[in-house]
Amino acid sequence: ILNVEQSPQSLHVQEGDSTNFTCSFPSSNFYALHWYRWETAKSPEALFVMTLNGDEKKKGRISATLNTKEGYSYLYIKGSQPEDSATYLCAFDPGSYIPTFGRGTSLIVHP
Amino acid sequence: KAGVTQTPRYLIKTRGQQVTLSCSPISGHRSVSWYQQTPGQGLQFLFEYFSETQRNKGNFPGRFSGRQFSNSRSEMNVSTLELGDSALYLCASSLEGQGGNTIYFGEGSWLTVV
Repeated sequence: ILNVEQSPQSLHVQEGDSTNFTCSFPSSNFYALHWYRWETAKSPEALFVMTLNGDEKKKGRISATLNTKEGYSYLYIKGSQPEDSATYLCAFDPGSYIPTFGRGTSLIVHP
Repeated sequence: KAGVTQTPRYLIKTRGQQVTLSCSPISGHRSVSWYQQTPGQGLQFLFEYFSETQRNKGNFPGRFSGRQFSNSRSEMNVSTLELGDSALYLCASSLEGQGGNTIYFGEGSWLTVV
């Protein structure tokens, strides 16, 4: 059983704050790391697929970094907005058909 | 392009009954996978189908089964429902289901077993 851990479990921030969360995954058999945003009553939405050590991806105010040697990825949100409130999931992809998901970080941004 | 569509969205069943959930993947996607989400748990993988063949199965009892049709549409079935089967069931599709492929999710089917 693969161990994919996300921290913190939940986070409350004020509008305008910048924040970040962590995804830890096995450093062996790595193929890709996926990040998803899951808003209440919607389907999980793909944010990034990261494959190379040192990779950095950016989408608007959201960015992510990847360290495959030590088995972690950070997701950053700059200047959080209420619409960023969601659960952020990471998934470890060993190159087989199925990724293993973490339990997610629940972000609530207060106006 | 239409997203992943799941039906029904909500349903209530009685313990001991069976249920069938349906999933239509994004056009052109051949891999369909199913996940279960329960409170406090991450997405738990149920099974994955590609070209009508089950390629992988998660650690769930045999009461959980699925199939895929030639048009890539998929169904999952749960027989002899138990209270613990109450969950959100998510279907996801991807082009080939290979490493690095982005997985696109449907909105899910909420199953309540009473």
